[in-house]
Amino acid sequence: NAGVTQTPKFRVLKTGQSMTLLCAQDMNHEYMYWYRQDPGMGLRLIHYSVGEGTTAKGEVPDGYNVSRLKKQNFLLGLESAAPSQTSVYFCASSRDSWLNYGYTFGSGTRLTVV
Amino acid sequence: KQEVTQIPAALSVPEGENLVLNCSFTDSAIYNLQWFRQDPGKGLTSLLLIQSSQREQTSGRLNASLDKSSGRSTLYIAASQPGDSATYLCAVISGGYNKLIFGAGTRLAVHP
Repeated sequence: NAGVTQTPKFRVLKTGQSMTLLCAQDMNHEYMYWYRQDPGMGLRLIHYSVGEGTTAKGEVPDGYNVSRLKKQNFLLGLESAAPSQTSVYFCASSRDSWLNYGYTFGSGTRLTVV
Repeated sequence: KQEVTQIPAALSVPEGENLVLNCSFTDSAIYNLQWFRQDPGKGLTSLLLIQSSQREQTSGRLNASLDKSSGRSTLYIAASQPGDSATYLCAVISGGYNKLIFGAGTRLAVHP
C-alpha cells in the first residue's frame, strides 16, 4: 500500500549542481505530475505526463526536465540548480478517469540550493 | 486564467468550535474541486472530492459544498479538535487538460 513514493526526502545542492528527483507509484496510474510549493503561493505545476513516454510543460517548467520511461516512474531533473529552485517538490498521480478519482500525492522532497 | 483564492490565510480557534474555510475560483468552468489537508513537513492528504455536478460531499465531521455559478466552495469542520490543526488546501481542475490549480491554503490552529 505504498501509493506515491518520492526520493530523496531532503537534499542540499550547491548552485550549478545537477540532480534527479524520483517519483514512483504502484497504483498503475496513467497520469503523473510534478509540483513545487513555495511559501504563500500554493502548489504550482512544473511538468506532467499523461502516459508512459509522454511529458508536457506545466505552469513553471523553466530550469527543469522530466522523463517517463516507465509507467510507474516520473523523474524530475535539475541540470544546473539555482537558489530560486529552493522549494518543496511534490509528485502526484491520478487514474485515467481523473474526473472521478482525484489525485494522490507523495510526501515531498525538500530541496535547498545554496 | 483560472485563479483560486482561499480566505482566511490563517485561523486560530478554540477546541469545539464549528468553523468554515472559504475557497473561491475565477472561472466557473471546472470539472471538479478537491480539498486537501497538509501537516507541517508532510505531503497532501485528500479529504473530499466534489464533482462539478454535485453540491456537497461529507466525510465524518467534514462537509464541503460547491456553488459553481458563484465560483465558491466552503469546507465546514464541525466540533474542531487540536488534531485538526493543519493547512487546508483547495484545488480545482479546469481548462483544456487535467491539472490541479491550487489556492495558497488556510493555516488552521485549534487550541485546547
